[in-house]
Amino acid sequence: DTAVSQTPKYLVTQMGNDKSIKCEQNLGHDTMYWYKQDSKKFLKIMFSYNNKELIINETVPNRFSPKSPDKAHLNLHINSLELGDSAVYFCASSQDKLAGYNEQFFGPGTRLTVL
Amino acid sequence: AQTVTQSQPEMSVQEAETVTLSCTYDTSENNYYLFWYKQPPSRQMILVIRQEAYKQQNATENRFSVNFQKAAKSFSLKISDSQLGDTAMYFCAFMKHDKTGKYIFGTGTRLKVLA
Repeated sequence: DTAVSQTPKYLVTQMGNDKSIKCEQNLGHDTMYWYKQDSKKFLKIMFSYNNKELIINETVPNRFSPKSPDKAHLNLHINSLELGDSAVYFCASSQDKLAGYNEQFFGPGTRLTVL
Repeated sequence: AQTVTQSQPEMSVQEAETVTLSCTYDTSENNYYLFWYKQPPSRQMILVIRQEAYKQQNATENRFSVNFQKAAKSFSLKISDSQLGDTAMYFCAFMKHDKTGKYIFGTGTRLKVLA
């Protein structure tokens, strides 16, 4: 009965490759997010989708593209991976943004290592 | 733009004692939410406590409580009767009440509980 799941949990790949990280939530939430946590543990929002609509698109290279096939899924595709993309990527979800406080539920994270 | 500052990169506390983690933020918003998240070595992000800015009463969750000073823009976390399982990174997060639900995280405080 995992609430927010991500696959894979670990991803090791070569520079220049293209990879995807998948995220699914079974909480019935309307909004999903991608965060990046760097080597110094700093967490920063990358993208957010509400009911399959992109609502946050921070300053992220075009090589990163989120895709939301339905409101329970938000995948992250990364093209032409670079060394600096190595980080832990967290998916999160929350209930409707207007329904009071927006506690976000996080997935377990995907540690991406680019060699 | 909002910013969140956690001025203590690392702290330690003896088991069963009390520790306070500090968080300050900068915003011109009047309606917002504040959160403390815990990230243990498993890297799972776990919500510890939340506070709505319009509530004057400080939030409490068992051994965890906050000291919310709206005028001073301060949101400290007090952990009473510290346990070994409290060892983790603690992140303060700010979210303004808008359609994005975006979190702004502080840089985190690494807390170690000593036996």
